[in-house]
Amino acid sequence: DTEVTQTPKHLVMGMTNKKSLKCEQHMGHRAMYWYKQKAKKPPELMFVYSYEKLSINESVPSRFSPECPNSSLLNLHLHALQPEDSALYLCASSQGAGGGATDTQYFGPGTRLTVL
Amino acid sequence: LAKTTQPISMDSYEGQEVNITCSHNNIATNDYITWYQQFPSQGPRFIIQGYKTKVTNEVASLFIPADRKSSTLSLPRVSLSDTAVYYCLLSGAGSYQLTFGKGTKLSVIP
Repeated sequence: DTEVTQTPKHLVMGMTNKKSLKCEQHMGHRAMYWYKQKAKKPPELMFVYSYEKLSINESVPSRFSPECPNSSLLNLHLHALQPEDSALYLCASSQGAGGGATDTQYFGPGTRLTVL
Repeated sequence: LAKTTQPISMDSYEGQEVNITCSHNNIATNDYITWYQQFPSQGPRFIIQGYKTKVTNEVASLFIPADRKSSTLSLPRVSLSDTAVYYCLLSGAGSYQLTFGKGTKLSVIP
């Protein structure tokens, strides 16, 4: 099973709402990632968790708050977002937790977020 | 990580072989070359990875010359379902980061 699942598939929220994105993998992977992808642009790394601990935060605004409750689950909590935060949010996981050159990342289908 | 450069777009007819070349003049000694495929509104999917010479799997081949300053992804006999964006990336040991370049949008024409 090489599947990363993400829920919901689509989310529309207002600027004052609080919502969460969920990502799950059951491949025993030790690293999990959040990426943001704007239309017609490549994915951009936001956060990396290794062994359930945040190891990389790419200077993401605090209105995005990641959480890794266990090794299979990754959440992204959203609060007070702006319309420019509308994008496809991708979750990925990889087996190694040390960041290896050959450590393949497996991506989920993404959550399409629209902020009104 | 070193930067990669790819053509922005390519067109091909069904059944043809497609070669997408990626330039990475400043590739580091321990960098691997990795290719991902992405369909609209889906996450990227790993295609192939290599360090030097040639790598082949059931989907594609990857050719890497001795100086490793470029690489070529070869897709044999493309079909309409191969229409996607193809990203060339460099991945270094000890680094989690995948830095995606602009990618090549491949359009397969019937």
